[in-house]
Amino acid sequence: DSGVTQTPKHLITATGQRVTLRCSPRSGDLSVYWYQQSLDQGLQFLIQYYNGEERAKGNILERFSAQQFPDLHSELNLSSLELGDSALYFCASSVDPTSGGETQYFGPGTRLLVL
Amino acid sequence: GESVGLHLPTLSVQEGDNSIINCAYSNSASDYFIWYKQESGKGPQFIIDIRSNMDKRQGQRVTVLLNKTVKHLSLQIAATQPGDSAVYFCAETYSSYKLIFGSGTRLLVRP
Repeated sequence: DSGVTQTPKHLITATGQRVTLRCSPRSGDLSVYWYQQSLDQGLQFLIQYYNGEERAKGNILERFSAQQFPDLHSELNLSSLELGDSALYFCASSVDPTSGGETQYFGPGTRLLVL
Repeated sequence: GESVGLHLPTLSVQEGDNSIINCAYSNSASDYFIWYKQESGKGPQFIIDIRSNMDKRQGQRVTVLLNKTVKHLSLQIAATQPGDSAVYFCAETYSSYKLIFGSGTRLLVRP
C-alpha cells in the first residue's frame, strides 16, 4: 500500500458525460500528479500540482481539468467524455520535487469506462 | 518511447533464476531514474531508484545499473519468485516533475 488513495475504483459512464476522480496524497506529500494509462498509449503524464498550485502540464486535453485543494487532495475532472477516454487514471504523490523528493508513489487507480 | 500495450516484450525465467530487465532512456540530461513494478489492475509500485551521479544501487534482491554513456538502465532481480511476475517500467526525469516512462517489460516466472 503506497499511502495514496483514489476514488472511485471503477466508473462507468456514457459519452458526453462529466466525471470527477479524487485523489488523496500520502501524508506529508505536497505534490500530486495525474497520469492516464491506456492500452495503446502507456503511462502518460497529465498534470502536476504542488501545494495547491499547478506546476506542470503534460498531455492533458482541454476537456480535462484538475485542482488541488488546501487539504492537498486533488480532483481530476473529465468532461464531454468520449469513448477514447476509457483508461486507467492514476494519481501519484511526492514530497517536494524541488528538493530531492521526486520519488512518486502511485495510487491504485480509477478505471474509467465510457460507453 | 512512452508506449506500452498488448505487444510488451516478455522475459520468461525459471523460479530461482536471476532476471535482468533492460531499458533504454531517451534524455541524456535525465538525472533521476526509477524502476516500477505494475501488477495487473494495480498502480505502479516503486522498486528502486538511482541518481545520475551513481552507476549502481542495490536493494533487497534488486540491483539497478546505470550506464550514462549509452543511456541504458537495467534492473536485476536475484532469485526470482512467482510474486515477481508483473510488468516492469523504467522512468526517467530531468525536470523533477514529469516522469517519462519507458516501454514496459512483462516478467513471467515459471514454477
